[in-house]
Amino acid sequence: AQSVTQLGSHVSVSEGALVLLRCNYSSSVPPYLFWYVQYPNQGLQLLLKYTTGATLVKGINGFEAEFKKSETSFHLTKPSAHMSDAAEYFCAVTTNAGNMLTFGGGTRLMVKP
Amino acid sequence: ETGVTQSPTHLIKTRGQQVTLRCSSQSGHNTVSWYQQALGQGPQFIFQYYREEENGRGNFPPRFSGLQFPNYSSELNVNALELDDSALYLCASSLNPGVGGEQYFGPGTRLTVT
Repeated sequence: AQSVTQLGSHVSVSEGALVLLRCNYSSSVPPYLFWYVQYPNQGLQLLLKYTTGATLVKGINGFEAEFKKSETSFHLTKPSAHMSDAAEYFCAVTTNAGNMLTFGGGTRLMVKP
Repeated sequence: ETGVTQSPTHLIKTRGQQVTLRCSSQSGHNTVSWYQQALGQGPQFIFQYYREEENGRGNFPPRFSGLQFPNYSSELNVNALELDDSALYLCASSLNPGVGGEQYFGPGTRLTVT
């Protein structure tokens, strides 16, 4: 079985500040990890994914995440927040069994001017 | 290239009724997955269809059923609706069910059960 925990259901940052959204996972087999963003009244958009290889993954809109096996973490970062980054962010995991995703509870990012 | 589309956008049903939600997968994609997203929560996997066969199922009762058609579009059927079925239902398509394959999500259908 696999699970995802996102620490902090709400995160507030000032425009231009560092964004850090936390994700920890539990998996009995090597995981494949994803970050999705959801804007109001929309579906999910893939930001980035880790499957194999380099543990630092770069995604769209300046986001990146680092897979740390020893810490079972896959935190999402962005050096400088923009107002347009305000949205709900979901971390997800899947395993070799297929691409059925297990999602965390989500983190709502608020960006203050 | 047409993305994933879902219909209807919104739906209101009464407890005990039945509902059918529809999803058209992205062009060339043969795999469709359905997720339920309750208010304030992350999506939960319902089931996946690959080439018209169920290819995996989450922890949902049998009153949640599905179909995939030869053109790879899909339906989600829910019988005997309960108040807790109120949620956003998301459909996602992918090229194959292989690990790491990107899933493309539709905008969802908002179901309200009264």
